[in-house]
Amino acid sequence: EVQLVESGGGVVRPGGSLRLSCAASGFTFADHAMSWVRQNPGKGLEWVSGINWNGGSTGYADSVKGRFTISRDNAKNSLYLQMNSLRAEDTALYHCARVQFCSGTSCYRGNFDIWGQGTMVTASS
Amino acid sequence: EIVLTQSPGTLSLSPGERATLSCRASQTVSSTFLAWYQQKPGQAPRLLIYGASGRATGIPDRFSGSGSGTDFTLTISRLEPEDFAVYYCQQYGSSPITFGQGTRLDIK
Repeated sequence: EVQLVESGGGVVRPGGSLRLSCAASGFTFADHAMSWVRQNPGKGLEWVSGINWNGGSTGYADSVKGRFTISRDNAKNSLYLQMNSLRAEDTALYHCARVQFCSGTSCYRGNFDIWGQGTMVTASS
Repeated sequence: EIVLTQSPGTLSLSPGERATLSCRASQTVSSTFLAWYQQKPGQAPRLLIYGASGRATGIPDRFSGSGSGTDFTLTISRLEPEDFAVYYCQQYGSSPITFGQGTRLDIK
């Protein structure tokens, strides 16, 4: 079964750090670009960051640029998001998502055909 | 950044009726890199349409997508009870990737 399972969420004080992980199974992880997408409870979807198949190309939303770092380990079939200098507005459910078809030469963007259930991040004092 | 505006915000229809959801972009979406997703409470989004009109694997043919440039439409030909959910459009042709704010499809 094709599956993405996120972990690493939790409650952290503003200014703190968290590292999210996403474990992939059921498909060849190295064949796909990946992304993180977040959703505030009861709100819409916001793309956070994307990475191409080998980690050589990445992209970030302006709201997280300079604070968050996306990475991957194809040998471990895993995607990561290092989140530093967390703010209250970063509070959300964080999904990892598999890119089905990528766009652009850097190929970290695309549509998402497989989603994980998400891990909740709460930045609150 | 390309802003996607979905309309209406809420659509109230009955099973068996036709639903037409709109997604308008603030700039041209490159090469029809436009997708639609369905999300039900407590679930992750599910891909319905990619490339503006391509139906994802396992999606019933009552779902169809159309449009190009700045105007895109998701049509559900005959609503089934399981179709009542929130629908999002997404553009992935330009950075950053952006989503519309969603259309809630309610049972009338």
